[in-house]
Amino acid sequence: SQTIHQWPATLVQPVGSPLSLECTVEGTSNPNLYWYRQAAGRGLQLLFYSVGIGQISSEVPQNLSASRPQDRQFILSSKKLLLSDSGFYLCALDEISGGYEQYFGPGTRLTVT
Amino acid sequence: GQSLEQPSEVTAVEGAIVQINCTYQTSGFYGLSWYQQHDGGAPTFLSYNALDGLEETGRFSSFLSRSDSYGYLLLQELQMKDSASYFCAVRDNYGQNFVFGPGTRLSVLP
Repeated sequence: SQTIHQWPATLVQPVGSPLSLECTVEGTSNPNLYWYRQAAGRGLQLLFYSVGIGQISSEVPQNLSASRPQDRQFILSSKKLLLSDSGFYLCALDEISGGYEQYFGPGTRLTVT
Repeated sequence: GQSLEQPSEVTAVEGAIVQINCTYQTSGFYGLSWYQQHDGGAPTFLSYNALDGLEETGRFSSFLSRSDSYGYLLLQELQMKDSASYFCAVRDNYGQNFVFGPGTRLSVLP
């Protein structure tokens, strides 16, 4: 079965600092990978998705970027964090065949101060 | 565009039955999914409906009416551990990604 690893679990960063969140997956090949952000008490906002190495689609304009250097690695980055970047960041996957179930990682709680 | 609507909060007592509704507007439709999320945790998959009708999985059931763009999640024999947020989600027109509803916070009282 699939396993998603995310780290760190929590992160406190000052405004203007860079960010790098990593997501790695096990137990599957060629998955679709996703980055979501969830503000406190709110729904999930899709940030990026990837259907393969080097293929990134962005859903919303922002100061974040994503990369997929390997099949099972998905990275979320920022050069300069904003206060509005605070939130719960979730990495998710589903099968390349387009299954109906998404699997989520444990998430990273980011606080920008 | 895609939009989904859910009630923001629902409260019920242990042992009761509760229904969480979801209406959607999408440019295409590839099925309605439901996820549960406990405070501080990640969402976990509960159920999926691609066709009209009721799907039952233990104490949880999910219903879909494509003609009404409507679905619901039914939770029976409520337990305290069912207190969580519940999200409906649809796959978009190209089947490439999911759009999630705003979530319904369920509180189960003793």
